[in-house]
Amino acid sequence: DTGVSQDPRHKITKRGQNVTFRCDPISEHNRLYWYRQTLGQGPEFLTYFQNEAQLEKSRLLSDRFSAERPKGSFSTLEIQRTEQGDSAMYLCASSRNEVYYGYTFGSGTRLTVV
Amino acid sequence: AQSVTQPDIHITVSEGASLELRCNYSYGATPYLFWYVQSPGQGLQLLLKYFSGDTLVQGIKGFEAEFKRSQSSFNLRKPSVHWSDAAEYFCAPAVYNQGGKLIFGQGTELSVKP
Repeated sequence: DTGVSQDPRHKITKRGQNVTFRCDPISEHNRLYWYRQTLGQGPEFLTYFQNEAQLEKSRLLSDRFSAERPKGSFSTLEIQRTEQGDSAMYLCASSRNEVYYGYTFGSGTRLTVV
Repeated sequence: AQSVTQPDIHITVSEGASLELRCNYSYGATPYLFWYVQSPGQGLQLLLKYFSGDTLVQGIKGFEAEFKRSQSSFNLRKPSVHWSDAAEYFCAPAVYNQGGKLIFGQGTELSVKP
């Protein structure tokens, strides 16, 4: 169990640029979740995958956000035409199918849009 | 609508003192209940969880939580706080028929005085 890995740890980008984050879940975990966390707030759900299928996407997620999980392994989260309001910590988590086990979180990617 | 409330934004306790962090939820049925801890700049670590059965559950680092159905509460406790417990604490219910999606509270920031 090597844990959940996220890359990069930090990203600074100019407004209007596209950014992509990667998440490598625990290998035997079928589910993968993306959350966004701003300062002083709890993590906010963005989307989740069951294997390679994206089963839910938050209504708060604009069309500039897209996530993929090809072959049910790693996942990428892309933000197009970044805005200053996108500055946040982006957290990835993975879990087994059974809710009981809870999630294992990665350390997150901190995005700063300047 | 489903919701979770952590009424205390910030709590300060003296080292060695007892601690109780409050969590209330509003769901149609009893959800799975989790407490996570987050150190500055880090991801979230699972402290403990409630699924069913004994309403007093033990977790890591000497934490425990009690589920009270009548009050829709799942408060976190520790008999004697250590300086290393200073962190952000999140209560998070999950509903199994919604992909096990965790909904996080706003969090309670714990400061520990020497």
